[in-house]
Amino acid sequence: GAGVSQSPRYKVAKRGQDVALRCDPISGHVSLFWYQQALGQGPEFLTYFQNEAQLDKSGLPSDRFFAERPEGSVSTLKIQRTQQEDSAVYLCASSQQPTQGYVNQPQHFGDGTRLSIL
Amino acid sequence: DAKTTQPNSMESNEEEPVHLPCNHSTISGTDYIHWYRQLPSQGPEYVIHGLTSNVNNRMASLAIAEDRKSSTLILHRATLRDAAVYYCILRASNQAGTALIFGKGTTLSVSS
Repeated sequence: GAGVSQSPRYKVAKRGQDVALRCDPISGHVSLFWYQQALGQGPEFLTYFQNEAQLDKSGLPSDRFFAERPEGSVSTLKIQRTQQEDSAVYLCASSQQPTQGYVNQPQHFGDGTRLSIL
Repeated sequence: DAKTTQPNSMESNEEEPVHLPCNHSTISGTDYIHWYRQLPSQGPEYVIHGLTSNVNNRMASLAIAEDRKSSTLILHRATLRDAAVYYCILRASNQAGTALIFGKGTTLSVSS
């Protein structure tokens, strides 16, 4: 069956450019997460959506990072005026239910977008 | 959040059992123990979770110490495809928050 799909798989941008990363979650999944993974580290939380509502954006590292999920399905993570420290793999995950009350439901991850800032 | 401690790396031979340890000495009574793994160039995937009793599924077994201060993920017969980073993560049952909190995990190498 279809899993979480992310595009592009690889993105190279020059410092200062804006980038947009797309996530197609599993159909019908209520919860959607974005994580950032630096080389050799575990993923780190960026933001969470329940349907179209962004309920937690505490992990976004700066106001250059913006995420949206306008219709409660596809999500886009946008990074403005990219910096070299933004180079990382950006992972999207979805789960079937809202997180509250369903702490044990698994999160299903895409294979990520590898972003390289030159 | 309670923290977990895992060895940085482990090695195994194909078709042998693998025991991946995780220490979580500050675990609270409402924390579930979750395991995820991440194969090279892929996103993490859920493996198993448990609270107090040992758990088995098609991928692995989870053995939880009686005092719950440690747990072990058991792969009964390692294959080359099991080479991955394994993450042990605690999830509070009353957690209204959202994120999985990953450490550095254990990098498992499997030799043929």
